[in-house]
Formats: sequence, structure tokens, C-alpha cells
Amino acid sequence: DTAVSQTPKYLVTQMGNDKSIKCEQNLGHDTMYWYKQDSKKFLKIMFSYNNKELIINETVPNRFSPKSPDKAHLNLHINSLELGDSAVYFCASSQDTGHNYGYTFGSGTRLTVV
Amino acid sequence: QQQVKQSPQSLIVQKGGISIINCAYENTAFDYFPWYQQFPGKGPALLIAIRPDVSEKKEGRFTISFNKSAKQFSLHIMDSQPGDSATYFCAASGYGGSQGNLIFGKGTKLSVKP
Repeated sequence: DTAVSQTPKYLVTQMGNDKSIKCEQNLGHDTMYWYKQDSKKFLKIMFSYNNKELIINETVPNRFSPKSPDKAHLNLHINSLELGDSAVYFCASSQDTGHNYGYTFGSGTRLTVV
Repeated sequence: QQQVKQSPQSLIVQKGGISIINCAYENTAFDYFPWYQQFPGKGPALLIAIRPDVSEKKEGRFTISFNKSAKQFSLHIMDSQPGDSATYFCAASGYGGSQGNLIFGKGTKLSVKP
């Protein structure tokens, strides 16, 4: 039973399209995250969210928006996709705000914008 | 601004040897330092973590050494095995708000030769 699951695993789409990536965790964790991993493997925080607070990395374009229907889900919606958005996107969760708690990552969604 | 600097970028070690990966941080508010292991096509997985109140933590063949005054920490993999071949990331976080989000180093690709 997968702890953090993301769908789809692969996503190929054209520039200008709008797409969503879904994430679900069954660990009962309070906080969820989205990270972007570029072609050089660099992992960069995009958002963190719990039921109290959404923290947005100031470098993330406002074309990216997280949507959380409940504590177990944090979806990522991307508007007007650009070539530079091509990357692997990882969802993660932690027991609390992450301080002193390990993150559990999903297996990633490889987004290719053509 | 990269807050966690990791080296080397890549590392080749013979089976049975010791693999050493180093990280340095800048933010003195950081107080949680985990290491993650990532295999191709998978999400990062928590390997071992340390808090600054101890100078060393060992779990099996994996050891973290921590030097608070130098703001450095390192991962030692003893008796390295081909199955340890993966990308390793150090990370750091503080407490509260955006400080609670893990900031990752740029990763080290480890190859263990049989």
C-alpha cells in the first residue's frame, strides 16, 4: 500500500496547456509539500501546506498553484505551461511542519512540455 | 542563494571501500540535518538524520558526523556495496514557517564498483 502516491507518473503536454498532478498520502501526516527536481537533480521546495498555513517559495511563478481538498491530498495545478517547466515533480508529506521529522516522498511525476 | 553546499558532485568507490560525502550550511537557525538516498526513477528516501546536540550518529554502515562550529556535516558509508549506488542528498531545516521546509544540497552521485 503506497504511502505517498502521485498520478500521473509521466505527463507529456504542449506549451500553453493547463495540467494538474495529483498527490495522496495515507500516512495521516499533517503537512504536504511539492518539490521540483530539475535535469541536474537539484531538489527545490515549491510549496508546503498544512491545515493552518500555505508557504509558497517566492521564486515559484504564480502559474503554479497548490490545491488541497483535504488533509490527505495536495494537488498541483499548472497554468500556461512553458518549456522550462519540464522536470520531475515530487510530492512529499511529514508528520508535522517538517522540523525534525523526515519527509516521505512519492515516486515523482515526470513532466515534459513540448 | 544556495544554503546547503554539497560535495563532491560524483564519487566512484570500490566495493568494500568508504564513501564520504560532505555538506556545509550557512543558516545558523538550521537544527535538523537528514540525508536522503535516491535511486533512478524513485523518490528520495530518508536514510539517516542528526540534530546538532550530538556529533555523530551511526545506523548500520551509515554514519553522520556533525561539526557545529564549522557548520559542516558528512555522511560516511562503510563497506560500500554496489547496491549503495545512488544519488545522495544532504538537507537541513530550522523551525517554523519557511524555515521548517527542508533545503537540499545539489546531490552526489555515488557509483560503487564491484
